[in-house]
Amino acid sequence: EPEVTQTPSHQVTQMGQEVILRCVPISNHLYFYWYRQILGQKVEFLVSFYNNEISEKSEIFDDQFSVERPDGSNFTLKIRSTKLEDSAMYFCASSGPGTGTSFGPGTRLTVL
Amino acid sequence: AQSVTQLGSHVSVSEGALVLLRCNYSSSVPPYLFWYVQYPNQGLQLLLKYTSAATLVKGINGFEAEFKKSETSFHLTKPSAHMSDAAEYFCAVSNRDDYKLSFGAGTTVTVRA
Repeated sequence: EPEVTQTPSHQVTQMGQEVILRCVPISNHLYFYWYRQILGQKVEFLVSFYNNEISEKSEIFDDQFSVERPDGSNFTLKIRSTKLEDSAMYFCASSGPGTGTSFGPGTRLTVL
Repeated sequence: AQSVTQLGSHVSVSEGALVLLRCNYSSSVPPYLFWYVQYPNQGLQLLLKYTSAATLVKGINGFEAEFKKSETSFHLTKPSAHMSDAAEYFCAVSNRDDYKLSFGAGTTVTVRA
């Protein structure tokens, strides 16, 4: 069964550094998402991406965040200058008509 | 705006006992409702979803959920708990099958031998 994959599984970075989280969505899906889960809290929507552009973003997704689909398979989330409060599990997800949303295993980001 | 409320952050059941996890939703449009399970240090796995067809939805691992519009509820049940059901369970709502999800706070299930 096709799966969403994410790399790396764990990223440790210093405050102020840029990080790029990578995802490979399911190949025939059209909608791509990033969610995050701060430890002990609920899963929160960050951004959705469709037809090579952002279709919706939450208030969490400020100018420090960006997404890109650089080729036909990868979907990335970039955080330009990380803050301590960016430490969380970041989930990539994808969906297609009638399929529901499939989530990747997550990248745990730790900002020191 | 859409939201879900999960009643009870932690549920403890005995092995073989009924598992009941409560979820109430708020939505201005007909909702699509989902239950996801998260095992320790893993991602989110779809258990089942309601997409306006049958109100009783069967999912994986023996779980089922019933959509009750009059009660704005989508409670998750399993007749007989197994040790492997210990995990965190999230209810989520969307206004389409392929649209962003709004999650509840989650319910942690522990299963006693």
